[in-house]
Amino acid sequence: GAGVSQSPSNKVTEKGKDVELRCDPISGHTALYWYRQSLGQGLEFLIYFQGNSAPDKSGLPSDRFSAERTGGSVSTLTIQRTQQEDSAVYLCASSLGGRSNEQFFGPGTRLTVL
Amino acid sequence: KQEVTQIPAALSVPEGENLVLNCSFTDSAIYNLQWFRQDPGKGLTSLLLIQSSQREQTSGRLNASLDKSSGRSTLYIAASQPGDSATYLCAVRNKLVFGAGTILRVKS
Repeated sequence: GAGVSQSPSNKVTEKGKDVELRCDPISGHTALYWYRQSLGQGLEFLIYFQGNSAPDKSGLPSDRFSAERTGGSVSTLTIQRTQQEDSAVYLCASSLGGRSNEQFFGPGTRLTVL
Repeated sequence: KQEVTQIPAALSVPEGENLVLNCSFTDSAIYNLQWFRQDPGKGLTSLLLIQSSQREQTSGRLNASLDKSSGRSTLYIAASQPGDSATYLCAVRNKLVFGAGTILRVKS
């Protein structure tokens, strides 16, 4: 079956511009996660959606970052007024829900802020 | 704050050798531990998931163990192959906290 998909695969933007990154989770997965992988920082958690519950935004690095999940499926991560330190690979994962379930990752979006 | 450490940071072995990758975590209150591999420029591929109540999981040539009380996990790779060359990452809890990874190179 289809895995987690993300778009675009690569995004180059200028400092100060807004960007939107998209994640399509595996069908039927109620939990969705965003992570960021950058040089020198490794992989870090950003935000977590579980069903209709309020998202856990504890990993978002600043108020320029926000995410939505519409209809319990597709999610969009928005970064406003991008900075060069936002350059990273943004990874999305989904799972069946519940805290013990295996997470499956998408291929990521490589964001470069010039 | 949960911290995850992986040792060694890099490992180079000849083909056919058995090897062990180590992962340690500071907070034993975990739901599960997951091992991933990451190939250059690619996303993460899940290898094994160990629930907090389990001691080990096996998949093919891979075996992962979990000692929650001591905050340790090991990934054992038997009869390594050049195709095993990748970065191996361990992560704990549902909002995954990742180690920095072990870069494995298997020489043919």
